Amino acid sequence: QKEVEQNSGPLSVPEGAIASLNCTYSDRVSQSFFWYRQYSGKSPELIMSIYSNGDKEDGRFTAQLNKASQYVSLLIRDSQPSDSATYLCAVKDAGGTSYGKLTFGQGTILTVHP
Amino acid sequence: SQTIHQWPATLVQPVGSPLSLECTVEGTSNPNLYWYRQAAGRGLQLLFYSVGIGQISSEVPQNLSASRPQDRQFILSSKKLLLSDSGFYLCAWGKTGAAFFGQGTRLTVV
Repeated sequence: QKEVEQNSGPLSVPEGAIASLNCTYSDRVSQSFFWYRQYSGKSPELIMSIYSNGDKEDGRFTAQLNKASQYVSLLIRDSQPSDSATYLCAVKDAGGTSYGKLTFGQGTILTVHP
Repeated sequence: SQTIHQWPATLVQPVGSPLSLECTVEGTSNPNLYWYRQAAGRGLQLLFYSVGIGQISSEVPQNLSASRPQDRQFILSSKKLLLSDSGFYLCAWGKTGAAFFGQGTRLTVV
């Protein structure tokens, strides 16, 4: 059973701080990794995709991938109260009979307090 | 641009009644389609995914079934709902990259 693990939190950070969210995955051959944000009562929305080792930046968000350690993280700089949400890590199967399957972690609840 | 439609937004059904949730995608062809369920305060559980018409993979044994009668249509069904079927049901589409979600259906079985 391929797994995606996240700390459930809640993670609480003050406004303006950096929030760091972490995710590990079990399938060594996975190639595609995603971060989603889910506000309470709403559906998840994609905020970052990353496919290669290293960092990928988009505005206040930076995704980091280390395939050797099977680890992906999301940094949110200058955190705002509007960033308070559940953040979901997702990993896509690379091939075989599970091709196209997207597995999610349990999500980390982030609270940004003023 | 691509859009995904899922309905209804909320549904209250009695135990033992049937269920049919429909999802359609516009603006793309041959997408991967997914049905997820999210119980209160829990993560996303993959129920079914499909890489083409009539091709359905079931992830967990359960009281539900899925069908893909057309390329961009994905249906989740049950013949008899159980209390444990309550949850937030999400349809999503994707191709080689990420998946994109519909608005979800909040199902309460009473």
